[in-house]
Order: sequence, then C-alpha cells, then structure tokens
Amino acid sequence: DGGITQSPKYLFRKEGQNVTLSCEQNLNHDAMYWYRQDPGQGLRLIYYSQIVNDFQKGDIAEGYSVSREKKESFPLTVTSAQKNPTAFYLCASNRGRAQETQYFGPGTRLLVL
Amino acid sequence: KNEVEQSPQNLTAQEGEFITINCSYSVGISALHWLQQHPGGGIVSLFMLSSGKKKHGRLIATINIQEKHSSLHITASHPRDSAVYICAAQNTGNQFYFGTGTSLTVIP
Repeated sequence: DGGITQSPKYLFRKEGQNVTLSCEQNLNHDAMYWYRQDPGQGLRLIYYSQIVNDFQKGDIAEGYSVSREKKESFPLTVTSAQKNPTAFYLCASNRGRAQETQYFGPGTRLLVL
Repeated sequence: KNEVEQSPQNLTAQEGEFITINCSYSVGISALHWLQQHPGGGIVSLFMLSSGKKKHGRLIATINIQEKHSSLHITASHPRDSAVYICAAQNTGNQFYFGTGTSLTVIP
C-alpha cells in the first residue's frame, strides 16, 4: 500500500530532552512537510523540503530541526529549545507542483511530562 | 488576520439536514482544498478546486474566484459525516494556508 507513516502515535518528552518524530512515504513524492496543530488554530508549517538534501523553515521553525537525507524520509526533531512542544504533529507530502493535493500521515501526539 | 477564514467554527445538525460550511481567503491561489479530519486525527482530501463546482456523492464544493470564497455542502447529512472540515488555500509556490476548521456533529 502506498502512503505516509508516522511514528510513534504518542510520544512523551521530559524537560530538556530532544525527541525525534518519524515520517516515511512510499509515494515517490519530492516534497514533504511538517505541520503543527493546536486546538482552535489552523495547521502551521514548521519545515518543508522540496528535494533531497534541501529544506526550508516554515512559519514556526524555532525549536525544531529536520533532515532530508533520503527521498522517503523527513524526520522532525523537537529540541529542548521548543518551550511549548505539546501539540499534534502532522507530516504531509506531494509532488511539489501547483494545484496538487497533499497526502497526510496519521499524526503524532507529543506530550510533555 | 488569517489568510483563510472559515465559518461556522462549530455546527450541530440533525441527521438528514443540508449543511453548508463557508471559507474566505485573502491570498492568490492556484487551488482551494477541502479536507476532512476524523476524531483520530488523520486528514484526508475531499476536493481540490480551481474554479466552478465539484461533486462527490453527497458532498458538493463550489468556489467563486472573484469573491475569494468557497463553500462545502453536505446533502442528507449522516452521523458518519461528523468530523472537522478544513479549508486550505494553495498558492502558486505550493504553500498551503489552512483555516481553523469547522467541527461538525450530526445527531441521529
């Protein structure tokens, strides 16, 4: 089956800890995105990548880092510098062209202990 | 001001009712998307529009480019339609701007 997988479904972070959220796609998509969703707010873009070994900051990149070493994978690290990390994180992908749907993963819910 | 505004924020309907969700956007777009988010959090795409109207089953989406407005209609609503519906504007640079969503509850 083609699609996007995210793991884990739930993640707990202790104070001062870095955690990494996984996103993998087998759709052969060039573009991948990370969004954060908070109650009462629309999805906000953290980082996006249009091609392997290249990525750009979105609107709320502070406290986050990413890598894009493989076309299929776009992991997101939530660093200790992100002071309010509790949120629902969604990964998406598409071919990176205009007038094109994004395909979303099932999401990871991050909670701070 | 958000680039994409949706109304209403919350909507409760009786089964069988006709439902309309509205979306206004302020950015130039290549396409307007309607998404559905289920209680578990997964998001699926319902429609992508650049003009006119599209229909899929009981769902209809329309867009007025001049007025920068789109609507999502659900005919003969059913409890399984209960979800959050999200409007998203896609610009020519493949960036997406999302509304805050409309939470729909359909009561049997």
